[in-house]
Amino acid sequence: DAGITQSPRHKVTETGTPVTLRCHQTENHRYMYWYRQDPGHGLRLIHYSYGVKDTDKGEVSDGYSVSRSKTEDFLLTLESATSSQTSVYFCASRKVGDEQYFGPGTRLTVT
Amino acid sequence: GQQLNQSPQSMFIQEGEDVSMNCTSSSIFNTWLWYKQDPGEGPVLLIALYKAGELTSNGRLTAQFGITRKDSFLNISASIPSDVGIYFCAGQETSNTGNQFYFGTGTSLTVIP
Repeated sequence: DAGITQSPRHKVTETGTPVTLRCHQTENHRYMYWYRQDPGHGLRLIHYSYGVKDTDKGEVSDGYSVSRSKTEDFLLTLESATSSQTSVYFCASRKVGDEQYFGPGTRLTVT
Repeated sequence: GQQLNQSPQSMFIQEGEDVSMNCTSSSIFNTWLWYKQDPGEGPVLLIALYKAGELTSNGRLTAQFGITRKDSFLNISASIPSDVGIYFCAGQETSNTGNQFYFGTGTSLTVIP
């Protein structure tokens, strides 16, 4: 358990509204990741961070942006939510040379 | 992105039976990982494999890193009801900005008491 929390845990929002999900870790891990999980697709990487202010795109980054202003926080923003972004979002973190530890997930519904 | 093919998609077994699942990739990975996910929770790491050919055990779980570095399998011996969940394989590759992880689509395991 890497002390990873996600907020909110559940959110319902309307199409076209902006949404920000927060991931917070207390382990001083260098790397942080955002995934989405959908039936039949497993976990797919949206964006990841390899240090404060250092981020890169994953395989499903369109429609998402991220920011990392502090080691402990990694924010995922949907600038204008769409129904296709209804999903369960997981954050993960890890230190150099170690494996990923996952947060509890955020269930997002876009109506 | 990388494609990981995980099979079977689902399994229904009797308590006490052994379970085997595997994962194949079109690309080479430096590390193979196996996770278990319970409903409403995030995935939890079960086993990590770092070298081609490596065979690693964790209690009743055994996993192997394929020689070609494109596949891995997970075995669970003498299954019990708490083994129920979704099992994911993941491959890790190294890039110049860090490591990326690619996940299989999962194997849903049901253990019938």
